[in-house]
Amino acid sequence: LAKTTQPISMDSYEGQEVNITCSHNNIATNDYITWYQQFPSQGPRFIIQGYKTKVTNEVASLFIPADRKSSTLSLPRVSLSDTAVYYCLVGDAGAGSYQLTFGKGTKLSVIP
Amino acid sequence: GAGVSQSPSNKVTEKGKDVELRCDPISGHTALYWYRQSLGQGLEFLIYFQGNSAPDKSGLPSDRFSAERTGGSVSTLTIQRTQQEDSAVYLCASSFNQGVYEQFFGPGTRLTVL
Repeated sequence: LAKTTQPISMDSYEGQEVNITCSHNNIATNDYITWYQQFPSQGPRFIIQGYKTKVTNEVASLFIPADRKSSTLSLPRVSLSDTAVYYCLVGDAGAGSYQLTFGKGTKLSVIP
Repeated sequence: GAGVSQSPSNKVTEKGKDVELRCDPISGHTALYWYRQSLGQGLEFLIYFQGNSAPDKSGLPSDRFSAERTGGSVSTLTIQRTQQEDSAVYLCASSFNQGVYEQFFGPGTRLTVL
């Protein structure tokens, strides 16, 4: 399983765009990049998943450069409710894969 | 539709007692996962079920931990002779199939061993 590295914490003011970058130098050809969000006292929640280039949904965007050794989660115009821990995961989408390896994540604090 | 549910939400037990934690996955999800999260830490994978079988039990911390799944649905995680280091939040997740499909997590069971 590819190891991921992301900042331990980040602060942002309400209304700003937040970019959280994750490094995964050992990413394999079959690996997908997935981001989860976790609020206190809740289980993680899937945000977005991608393989290469850019993926956008109603919540966030995911930017993946050509070498795929890093990825950036972009949250537009954050609000106080976006305060949470964000996890970057890398995993094989092939048959037999199942284990999600969560690191300590990035604790995002949104300030009024 | 209903999400993943877990019971109990909180469990306080004495050291040495056995506990059972229950997980009800989303209907139709064949894959079910158990994780453990200690205070301020990331999630630690414990075990994975595909249907009723558990292809990989390597994440279980010790032989005091066991899990089963019946009818391809409900799963029970059992911890025998609990120790204080077992105190954590135990999270269950399910997904439509194995692989990097979106995993849907339950709210967790907070276990405290006194």
